[in-house]
Amino acid sequence: DTGVSQDPRHKITKRGQNVTFRCDPISEHNRLYWYRQTLGQGPEFLTYFQNEAQLEKSRLLSDRFSAERPKGSFSTLEIQRTEQGDSAMYLCAVDRVGTGELFFGEGSRLTVL
Amino acid sequence: EDQVTQSPEALRLQEGESSSLNCSYTVSGLRGLFWYRQDPGKGPEFLFTLYSAGEEKEKERLKATLTKKESFLHITAPKPEDSATYLCAVRMAGSYQLTFGKGTKLSVIP
Repeated sequence: DTGVSQDPRHKITKRGQNVTFRCDPISEHNRLYWYRQTLGQGPEFLTYFQNEAQLEKSRLLSDRFSAERPKGSFSTLEIQRTEQGDSAMYLCAVDRVGTGELFFGEGSRLTVL
Repeated sequence: EDQVTQSPEALRLQEGESSSLNCSYTVSGLRGLFWYRQDPGKGPEFLFTLYSAGEEKEKERLKATLTKKESFLHITAPKPEDSATYLCAVRMAGSYQLTFGKGTKLSVIP
């Protein structure tokens, strides 16, 4: 148990619909990350929060993607007008010890039909 | 551009047959090289961090080493439960994001 809970674990949606994923770290962590992983690839960085401030965003994060961490605890990742290319595992991670060592949740798998 | 290349893509071993996985990297100002294990349908599980050339870390049957251009993950006398995808990632100076390789899928046959 990494202490990072993600919801939902699986989401199937139709193209054009909006989806939202939630990440809940069990305890407080300054740094929280979102990554995306497709089949046969390593995780790709999407964005990073320090407390409630979004400090880094990948160019992979198009304007259809938005992430928030309103109170510096849980975080949400929303994808608007989903496309089939958005099908992937969306992973949340925290930096528990402040060293850059990331501890990942189980991920939210998105399938866009 | 920072790159992380892992080889081989897949490795099939008999139980007890030791081997090594390779991770080569090109990055400016390395601030850490990380090894993760990932089981199907799950998030990556942290194994090791290496910070400087010559450093070694061990955990059970796994040993990670680091040079200036690559890292090796040595697996000694593997068991079927070591079957997983092993991911390597690097962090560069000035950033907290990790850049991952594609991973090596290890299968250990009883």
